Amino acid sequence: NAGVTQTPKFQVLKTGQSMTLQCAQDMNHEYMSWYRQDPGMGLRLIHYSVGAGITDQGEVPNGYNVSRSTTEDFPLRLLSAAPSQTSVYFCASSYRASGPNEQFFGPGTRLTVL
Amino acid sequence: GNSVTQMEGPVTLSEEAFLTINCTYTATGYPSLFWYVQYPGEGLQLLLKATKADDKGSNKGFEATYRKETTSFHLEKGSVQVSDSAVYFCALSDQDYGQNFVFGPGTRLSVLP
Repeated sequence: NAGVTQTPKFQVLKTGQSMTLQCAQDMNHEYMSWYRQDPGMGLRLIHYSVGAGITDQGEVPNGYNVSRSTTEDFPLRLLSAAPSQTSVYFCASSYRASGPNEQFFGPGTRLTVL
Repeated sequence: GNSVTQMEGPVTLSEEAFLTINCTYTATGYPSLFWYVQYPGEGLQLLLKATKADDKGSNKGFEATYRKETTSFHLEKGSVQVSDSAVYFCALSDQDYGQNFVFGPGTRLSVLP
């Protein structure tokens, strides 16, 4: 049981490049989400999904796209990278989409945009 | 909207000292409250949680009590260890809106031997 996995661990992009951050979970969790972590700001929700085929925007969705074609995978796409997207990105999942369920976090992807 | 405020630190303590990290929240509904811990280079892990007023969450010697009257969820530990050095995040989840967590900014704790 690998839990929540993320790839890559580190990435450097140039302004304007695109890329996909991968996230997968093997716990058959209903809910998945993406956060970015910036110094002094805690974690901010980018996008989330309450099940396969269903996604919605969080607090800071601009510049990011997501899709959820399977229960296991929830990739985050940066369409045209900007220096403001330099951050640490965490994927998380939980068993159900409602109620006080624990969120399980991946190890994170550290992204630098030059 | 919902929000979480916590002391930002950094907090530096000697081993075996008493720890308190303050957390207060603003929510329109009846949220569940959480403390998460992040060790260097890792993702967040759930430390403890409380789902209703007066509930006490506890784990690994840490405790926090859900105080609705003061909208607080302060984290305490009676005797910290060097291995407790980490960043601690207070968070809430609005039960009416499912899993959309709101996190505080995090408090960095350093424990010196």
